[in-house]
Amino acid sequence: SYELTQPPSVSVSPGQTARITCSGDALPKKYAYWYQQKSGQAPVLVIYDDTIRPSGIPEKFSGSSSGTMVTLTISGAQVEDEADYYCFSSDSIGNDVVFGGGTRLTVL
Amino acid sequence: EVQLVESGGNWVQPGGSLRLSCFASGFTFNTYSMHWVRRAPGKGLEYVSSITSDGANTHYADSVKGRFTISRDNSRNTLWLQMNSLTFEDTALYYCVKNGHGSGTYFDYWGQGTLVTVSS
Repeated sequence: SYELTQPPSVSVSPGQTARITCSGDALPKKYAYWYQQKSGQAPVLVIYDDTIRPSGIPEKFSGSSSGTMVTLTISGAQVEDEADYYCFSSDSIGNDVVFGGGTRLTVL
Repeated sequence: EVQLVESGGNWVQPGGSLRLSCFASGFTFNTYSMHWVRRAPGKGLEYVSSITSDGANTHYADSVKGRFTISRDNSRNTLWLQMNSLTFEDTALYYCVKNGHGSGTYFDYWGQGTLVTVSS
């Protein structure tokens, strides 16, 4: 079955830029999506179609794509950005949809 | 405002059954595919199942195929997940999720979840 690979954790100091990567063989052909899940809350879509920010999502969140890797960048990360972040996409023929394993972002 | 309200989560013994419900409001329910996603304690998000806007086509993760059934009633703005032959690994918070705009499968609005606990 298809897999998306993320680092388990990323840690930055307040005000620094956090980058969370997600790799998968089909990412050159399929869009990726990013979700933020804070403790005790439902997930929130922060990036769709690799690079597009939904209405209401701060400009500090951006997405990029290069080959088999997509990246979520959080500019000037703050304590309130601490959360689990998940990428999501599908395999090359669109049969399988899958989340990455998730990355816990710590800002301290 | 889009709202998705799940119900039906409960404690159940292994081998038992549960039916989850999700009532949707704030959007034209019959024009969007809908999904269930779960998060088990200490684990990440896991896709469970999808159903197209007209209910004609469904899709399941391998982990639930043959045990879970997704369905919907567009006249009642309601989505269901029938879960049979439950195992300990099905213990999770189950989210009802609305598909985003366009043809791709992705999730733009999530409910708050309903908790399923499988335990003896």
